[in-house]
Amino acid sequence: GAGVSQTPSNKVTEKGKYVELRCDPISGHTALYWYRQSLGQGPEFLIYFQGTGAADDSGLPNDRFFAVRPEGSVSTLKIQRTERGDSAVYLCASSEQGPGEQYFGPGTRLTVT
Amino acid sequence: GESVGLHLPTLSVQEGDNSIINCAYSNSASDYFIWYKQESGKGPQFIIDIRSNMDKRQGQRVTVLLNKTVKHLSLQIAATQPGDSAVYFCAESRPQGGSEKLVFGKGTKLTVNP
Repeated sequence: GAGVSQTPSNKVTEKGKYVELRCDPISGHTALYWYRQSLGQGPEFLIYFQGTGAADDSGLPNDRFFAVRPEGSVSTLKIQRTERGDSAVYLCASSEQGPGEQYFGPGTRLTVT
Repeated sequence: GESVGLHLPTLSVQEGDNSIINCAYSNSASDYFIWYKQESGKGPQFIIDIRSNMDKRQGQRVTVLLNKTVKHLSLQIAATQPGDSAVYFCAESRPQGGSEKLVFGKGTKLTVNP
């Protein structure tokens, strides 16, 4: 079956602009996670959805970052007033309800110039 | 602070040799550990997992060992192949209010020489 997909694969934006990153999880997976991976580092947790609600947003770095999952499937990560330090690969993962393996998408590489 | 880390940033082995990648964790409350493989330009790919009530788990050509006494995790790859070349991450699951977020280490880059 289809895995986790993310669009766009690459995004270049100017400092101060607004961006949206999309994640399509595996069908039927109720849990969805966003991570951010800087060059040479492991992924860092941003936010976790169980269904439509954000059950844990403790990893969001500041209020410029926001994510939604209105229908419990597709999720959008939104970044306002982008800064050069936001440049990274943004990864999305999904899993079945409860603890277990998280399946990752290919990521969106965001570059803020 | 609490973290999951790896002892060696790089590891180079000959094709056919066995590889061992190590990881240390500091949160004794963690109850689930996963090894991921990440190739360039791709997302992390699940390799094998282990729960804290186990000491060892085997998969196809891979074995994960968990030593809770010293908070150490290792990944053993038998008969390493060029296709195994990638960055390997251990990740720790810390249940928190139902969230199963993963805490990743920095990774070990494995290079397999033909």
